[in-house]
Amino acid sequence: QKEVEQDPGPLSVPEGAIVSLNCTYSNSAFQYFMWYRQYSRKGPELLMYTYSSGNKEDGRFTAQVDKSSKYISLFIRDSQPSDSATYLCAMGGSNDYKLSFGAGTTVTVRA
Amino acid sequence: DVKVTQSSRYLVKRTGEKVFLECVQDMDHENMFWYRQDPGLGLRLIYFSYDVKMKEKGDIPEGYSVSREKKERFSLILESASTNQTSMYLCASSLDRGVYGYTFGSGTRLTVV
Repeated sequence: QKEVEQDPGPLSVPEGAIVSLNCTYSNSAFQYFMWYRQYSRKGPELLMYTYSSGNKEDGRFTAQVDKSSKYISLFIRDSQPSDSATYLCAMGGSNDYKLSFGAGTTVTVRA
Repeated sequence: DVKVTQSSRYLVKRTGEKVFLECVQDMDHENMFWYRQDPGLGLRLIYFSYDVKMKEKGDIPEGYSVSREKKERFSLILESASTNQTSMYLCASSLDRGVYGYTFGSGTRLTVV
């Protein structure tokens, strides 16, 4: 079993829809959680960062962490064609040098 | 903003060649990483370094080596390139054990023929 599980999709939605992405994990020592966005043929860029449980909102993006269920989510409201990308979840513990990544979910927003 | 620069966007090399992939970061980060990314396999850690001249094997170090002579520069070396090393290679750096995440470079698409 992988330490971080993420459905690879692909996910295709019409413009304006809400995109819902999620990851589950098994390591209870993880304390900080991230979402990266990766456009085709580019490196991943940090999109959202959350420490411990709770919600964080940034514009159209909301990240949620439920440590009791070992489940994290990313929601994209009013999705745009420019949101078409691969989204990777990542997480780590305070004693880790290395992050653990999900496999990434490919999202296409249709105009 | 932290910038991580990979020297080449695209490379084509022949089987058996020794290949050097260079990565430079400009924000004094202690930690640097090399990943490869393949469809269906996600990101796989090759090597990382948490200090100058210090290195640790990742999950798939076979066929690779690394060099970190200066804090800002981390090089990945393919000792004898093979076709199964055709991949997207990503360099990343982080501050403070990655608590605040990594900054990635734009990647090097390596094709071995």
